Amino acid sequence: DAGVIQSPRHEVTEMGQEVTLRCKPISGHDYLFWYRQTMMRGLELLIYFNNNVPIDDSGMPEDRFSAKMPNASFSTLKIQPSEPRDSAVYFCASSLQGIHEQYFGPGTRLTVT
Amino acid sequence: QKEVEQNSGPLSVPEGAIASLNCTYSDRGSQSFFWYRQYSGKSPELIMFIYSNGDKEDGRFTAQLNKASQYVSLLIRDSQPSDSATYLCAVRGSARQLTFGSGTQLTVLP
Repeated sequence: DAGVIQSPRHEVTEMGQEVTLRCKPISGHDYLFWYRQTMMRGLELLIYFNNNVPIDDSGMPEDRFSAKMPNASFSTLKIQPSEPRDSAVYFCASSLQGIHEQYFGPGTRLTVT
Repeated sequence: QKEVEQNSGPLSVPEGAIASLNCTYSDRGSQSFFWYRQYSGKSPELIMFIYSNGDKEDGRFTAQLNKASQYVSLLIRDSQPSDSATYLCAVRGSARQLTFGSGTQLTVLP
């Protein structure tokens, strides 16, 4: 059974460009989480969805960040415009009913120059 | 005060020893507690979870929870070099999201 799938695995872009990160959760999982990890701030929750509906986006750092989940098998995290301080590893995770463990994808390493 | 606190380490133990990792949390309403292991350059993977006060054992790993003291720990017996990683404590409160600690870096010396 495939785990959480993320793409791209690595993204290098220039400041000001739009970046779109993609995630496919584990089939049947109804919760999806987006995290950002940096050395300075550790693992931070950005937003999470339940049944494709955003529940809590209080972790989204600013309006440049947006996330969507158009269906149960796909979610995107978009940064527009990107800035060097957005450089981090972005993880997507999914879980069943939100009360069980979260399974993480391999992450997308974003570098903004 | 951070919601979930861990000693950042690094923590070094010799091979075969017991590694003890600690975590405290601030939300008394927290319901469940997780330990994730993260190898360098990899994603976090769940190794233990605990919901009730006391100890829970799984192979070489033991999770301990004391809700009165708001304290959760992870013991790794017979530590192996392959256990060298960062260990993340995560706590779930009344909502569905997890709050992660900053992690403890463990090195097991051969």
